[in-house]
Amino acid sequence: GAVVSQHPSRVICKSGTSVKIECRSLDFQATTMFWYRQFPKQSLMLMATSNEGSKATYEQGVEKDKFLINHASLTLSTLTVTSAHPEDSSFYICSARVQRGAKETQYFGPGTRLLVL
Amino acid sequence: AQSVTQLGSHVSVSEGALVLLRCNYSSSVPPYLFWYVQYPNQGLQLLLKYTTGATLVKGINGFEAEFKKSETSFHLTKPSAHMSDAAEYFCAVSDSTGGGADGLTFGKGTHLIIQP
Repeated sequence: GAVVSQHPSRVICKSGTSVKIECRSLDFQATTMFWYRQFPKQSLMLMATSNEGSKATYEQGVEKDKFLINHASLTLSTLTVTSAHPEDSSFYICSARVQRGAKETQYFGPGTRLLVL
Repeated sequence: AQSVTQLGSHVSVSEGALVLLRCNYSSSVPPYLFWYVQYPNQGLQLLLKYTTGATLVKGINGFEAEFKKSETSFHLTKPSAHMSDAAEYFCAVSDSTGGGADGLTFGKGTHLIIQP
């Protein structure tokens, strides 16, 4: 099956710094990737939809200037949390959508746990 | 707008007993429904999905779910629980087979506990 990787798997940073999280589709091309965040013991919330070669589409309430998304190629999307604060600590999960004919499938990455001190 | 309600944030069953995790949805269009499992500190793994056709869907690890339009439900079941089934389970809805233009809408999750 298709594999989606995320790097790093875990990151601890100081308040005010920026953190970049990478999401890669390893054996397929993904024109669309999604970024979710999951707070402890809560569900995943869609943050934004990342389309290769165009600007990301953000969900209501998500600050686009704080969560910068770049989908530079068909296999890589990055999420940069700028000027991170403790309330940004969360589990960030990406997914990649692949379409083969009329069938679409979405594959999830293993997630990145961010802790902001 | 779509939404998903999972009844019971925690469900505890004995090993070998029936597993039933409840999911109800609301959608303004015919839904596509998914169940995902999440093990500690890991990403999501697709258990099964309903798109069209047969309303009883079989997935991996012996799980199955039945789409009941009249009840707007998509409950997940497994006849006999195994210790390895202990995990967090998420029900999700979309307006397309893979995830739609808007991604997936998830329920809050149900933590399945297996008692020995």
